[in-house]
Amino acid sequence: KAGVTQTPRYLIKTRGQQVTLSCSPISGHRSVSWYQQTPGQGLQFLFEYFSETQRNKGNFPGRFSGRQFSNSRSEMNVSTLELGDSALYLCASSLDLAGDNEQFFGPGTRLTVL
Amino acid sequence: DAKTTQPPSMDCAEGRAANLPCNHSTISGNEYVYWYRQIHSQGPQYIIHGLKNNETNEMASLIITEDRKSSTLILPHATLRDTAVYYCIVIPSNAGNMLTFGGGTRLMVKP
Repeated sequence: KAGVTQTPRYLIKTRGQQVTLSCSPISGHRSVSWYQQTPGQGLQFLFEYFSETQRNKGNFPGRFSGRQFSNSRSEMNVSTLELGDSALYLCASSLDLAGDNEQFFGPGTRLTVL
Repeated sequence: DAKTTQPPSMDCAEGRAANLPCNHSTISGNEYVYWYRQIHSQGPQYIIHGLKNNETNEMASLIITEDRKSSTLILPHATLRDTAVYYCIVIPSNAGNMLTFGGGTRLMVKP
């Protein structure tokens, strides 16, 4: 079956703009998590959605938000972009919220903020 | 959540076993040990996980000490394609799927 897909793969924005990233989980997976990866901070958890509800949230400002649709697809939005938001944004899907599930990561969206 | 400690880097000869250690001395009874790896510029890839018992799959073996305070990931016959950053992560069984990535171990497999 198809893996986790993320669109777009690459994005260039300027400071102050906003951006929306999309993630389609593996069919049947109901949990979607988002991560940010930068050279300085490494991989950091942003948030997790399950059944259209945010279940966990990382330590990021309110400019970072997300949502999940009834078909489990998820979007994350970053408003008022800053240079420091340049990063690889990764989405991961899992069957449910049980800790005994592997997560499958997508290829990521590389965001560059100029 | 329990924190993990891993050596920042390791080398391994191609064809030999790679043994990657992880310390998680504050692990709780309901926390799983997970291993993921990330090959350059790709999304992390799940390798294996365990709770108390040793585990083996087609990719690797996971050895967890009896007191659960440390574990070792074993790649039995490392290849050049196993060059990656390997992350050891501890996650509770009832707290969702939030993964807390540390610095990981950068494994370099050399010919």
